[in-house]
This record gives sequence, structure tokens and C-alpha cells, in this order.
Amino acid sequence: GAGVSQSPSNKVTEKGKDVELRCDPISGHTALYWYRQRLGQGLEFLIYFQGNSAPDKSGLPSDRFSAERTGGSVSTLTIQRTQQEDSAVYLCASSLATGGLTEAFFGQGTRLTVV
Amino acid sequence: DAKTTQPPSMDCAEGRAANLPCNHSTISGNEYVYWYRQIHSQGPQYIIHGLKNNETNEMASLIITEDRKSSTLILPHATLRDTAVYYCIVRVANQAGTALIFGKGTTLSVSS
Repeated sequence: GAGVSQSPSNKVTEKGKDVELRCDPISGHTALYWYRQRLGQGLEFLIYFQGNSAPDKSGLPSDRFSAERTGGSVSTLTIQRTQQEDSAVYLCASSLATGGLTEAFFGQGTRLTVV
Repeated sequence: DAKTTQPPSMDCAEGRAANLPCNHSTISGNEYVYWYRQIHSQGPQYIIHGLKNNETNEMASLIITEDRKSSTLILPHATLRDTAVYYCIVRVANQAGTALIFGKGTTLSVSS
């Protein structure tokens, strides 16, 4: 596609359930980022992938959060045993390279509501 | 740790220039200044970036002080559609492993 695609656009889940959020980056983009944005708050960095390097997981808030990037393309963010405080918009972005002077393109996000 | 400081909010009249300041007093010589904005309910959008020279594109101008400790994003003729949160970010280029870290930004409200 032309841009970063995220699915689902909205997800309502019960507390304690696991959820998977998907991100399809722009083709050829080697860098991929996940962010969390709670209502009325700024963007909270979660994890970043760059090519074949080990991902920077320094922003993951707990061990309930994990992410994979298969084949250097599609990424999945998994939240296990969801809690109400996990309710937020989860944004994915990709860029050609993290170190290069290239802009990051963002998807429209997945709005997660934990009830 | 926040590398940038921005006012939490600003107002601007439609058609006037919007000047958004950003302080980055601890910026390193190899760090660039990036600006993004986030319109309500959308993902952030890249605006412009620069190292030390002033930059201009179709969206905005970026003025960086000579000591590089602060910068100003200028929207020359603000419209209602420019109402958004504007983020100033400093980031090392040409180094693998550098994530894009957002601060709290400035909420710009453009009114008619």
C-alpha cells in the first residue's frame, strides 16, 4: 500500500485477554516503531526495529508487552493479560532508516479499549 | 529525559504567522532538530528538520539560532487546519539504534 497500515482500527477486549495489533510498514522501510498514546497524552515510545539489529525494547512498560517483526516487514505488537490501563491508541511508524535523514510515516493507529 | 522544552499551548489568528519556539540547550553537534505535528485523531506527520542552517519547505520554515540551543518553527499563514499538537525533537542522525522520542509538544489553536 501507499502508507503504513494498521489493523484492526478499533479493538475492544475484556480485561485479562490477549490482543495482537498488526502493522504493515511502507515497502522497503527498514525502521519500524511502535508508540502508545493514552487519551489526551503524548506519544510514548514502546519499541523500535531497525533492519536485522536487535530491537530497542527500552520503552515496553511491562513483560506483558512484546513485539515481533517477521521478515523485516510486518510487525505484531502483543499485549498479554490486558489491563484497563492498556486502553490507548497504538501507533506504528516506519522510515527508510533510523539513522538517516528520512521522515517517519505514521499509520492511523489501533484504538484499544479494555473493558 | 526530555531534550526539548516547548510551551504547552499557543493561539494564533487565521492568516497570521504562527511562531512555535523550542529550547534544546543540551543539543549535541551531531543532533538534528525535527518537527512533527499531530492533528486530532490522526497519526503524527513530519514537517521539517534541520541541523544548523535555516530550512524552508512547502509546509513551514525552521529557524535555528547560531548556538543551536533553540529553534522556531514558522507557519507563515496559519489556517484552521493547522490546529494541532506540534512536537520538536532532537535526534542523532547517521547512528543506528536511535528511536524517535516525542515530548509533550505545543498545542497550537488557530482561530478565525
